[in-house]
Amino acid sequence: GAGVSQSPSNKVTEKGKDVELRCDPISGHTALYWYRQSLGQGLEFLIYFQGNSAPDKSGLPSDRFSAERTGGSVSTLTIQRTQQEDSAVYLCASSPTTGGAGELFFGEGSRLTVL
Amino acid sequence: AQSVAQPEDQVNVAEGNPLTVKCTYSVSGNPYLFWYVQYPNRGLQFLLKYITGDNLVKGSYGFEAEFNKSQTSFHLKKPSALVSDSALYFCAVRAQSYGQNFVFGPGTRLSVLP
Repeated sequence: GAGVSQSPSNKVTEKGKDVELRCDPISGHTALYWYRQSLGQGLEFLIYFQGNSAPDKSGLPSDRFSAERTGGSVSTLTIQRTQQEDSAVYLCASSPTTGGAGELFFGEGSRLTVL
Repeated sequence: AQSVAQPEDQVNVAEGNPLTVKCTYSVSGNPYLFWYVQYPNRGLQFLLKYITGDNLVKGSYGFEAEFNKSQTSFHLKKPSALVSDSALYFCAVRAQSYGQNFVFGPGTRLSVLP
């Protein structure tokens, strides 16, 4: 497809389980971002991949959260030992450049519910 | 450090009236500024951006925004609001330096009343 694709769109899991969320950015986009949004609130920055540089992990809330980007394309956000406070919509966005005025293109999000 | 403020959590306006959603920012150096809209249960959609040049920027769906450097503001405006404009609006800033991150404001919920 032409846009940013995220899967799954909805995930319900039990507390303590691990989850993986996937993001397929727009082809050719070098920058990829993960954000978290709780209950229609603001965006919480998680991690930023910028081309071949080391990712900016400064927004990851704990060591239970990790992300990787393979081959400069697909990214996976992993949450280990999920907690109820991890329930949120996880948004992925990509941008054609790692700097400059290129805007972000967002996916539809993955809604995570931890029971 | 970069920051964005959207001083109003909620803006209510009658259909047909002009609307303004406010945004102020803080950034080292010159900024790139963006507005996004989020409809219920959807991702964010890009509306418009300021890069350089004319301070008045026109974007999608009849929206426009005015960059004011002295007031460090980038307010979103529309001359005549539609009920379908009701959504959550986010302002974002990015410093004009390589590799700088985007910083988003907390969002403003716009309700256009029929």
